[in-house]
Amino acid sequence: GQSLEQPSEVTAVEGAIVQINCTYQTSGFYGLSWYQQHDGGAPTFLSYNALDGLEETGRFSSFLSRSDSYGYLLLQELQMKDSASYFCAVREGGYQKVTFGIGTKLQVIP
Amino acid sequence: EPEVTQTPSHQVTQMGQEVILRCVPISNHLYFYWYRQILGQKVEFLVSFYNNEISEKSEIFDDQFSVERPDGSNFTLKIRSTKLEDSAMYFCASSEGLQETQYFGPGTRLLVL
Repeated sequence: GQSLEQPSEVTAVEGAIVQINCTYQTSGFYGLSWYQQHDGGAPTFLSYNALDGLEETGRFSSFLSRSDSYGYLLLQELQMKDSASYFCAVREGGYQKVTFGIGTKLQVIP
Repeated sequence: EPEVTQTPSHQVTQMGQEVILRCVPISNHLYFYWYRQILGQKVEFLVSFYNNEISEKSEIFDDQFSVERPDGSNFTLKIRSTKLEDSAMYFCASSEGLQETQYFGPGTRLLVL
């Protein structure tokens, strides 16, 4: 089976940088994804890492280290609208099921 | 930008009743999924569907659940006899290929009384 661990809550100041970590255990790792979910909303895809290294998309970056079974999401120049839950998710190779972490609730404060 | 749509946005039903949740996946996508999220909890995989058949399902997806693609655009989730614990947000998702990004619909909030 698969399991993911991420912090349950993070608070950061508007304009700052925040990093949300995710560690995973899986028998056949294929890739690590990040989703954003605002209260009452749908998960929205943010980024995907299949290989080691950093992927950058605007203010958001995601990093993966397969040898450490670890990844993180980096949010820069935080805005109030970034307050949401952020889920890391993994998929085993050959399977369609995506397993989500418990989510990290990010609160951006002025 | 194409998006996944779901209807209804909210559904209230009595325990034991049947409900059908509807989804229209993105038109060129071939893989379809249902997930659920109980309030305050993580998103959980229910089932995936490809080529008009279930390709993978979780232990949650028992005999009370079924999925169907009745025509070329709709994808439905049926719960035959709802239980209180079925109350959750149900998300439909679709992807272009097996290993491609899954795009989620806005969800249907189901409340079983």
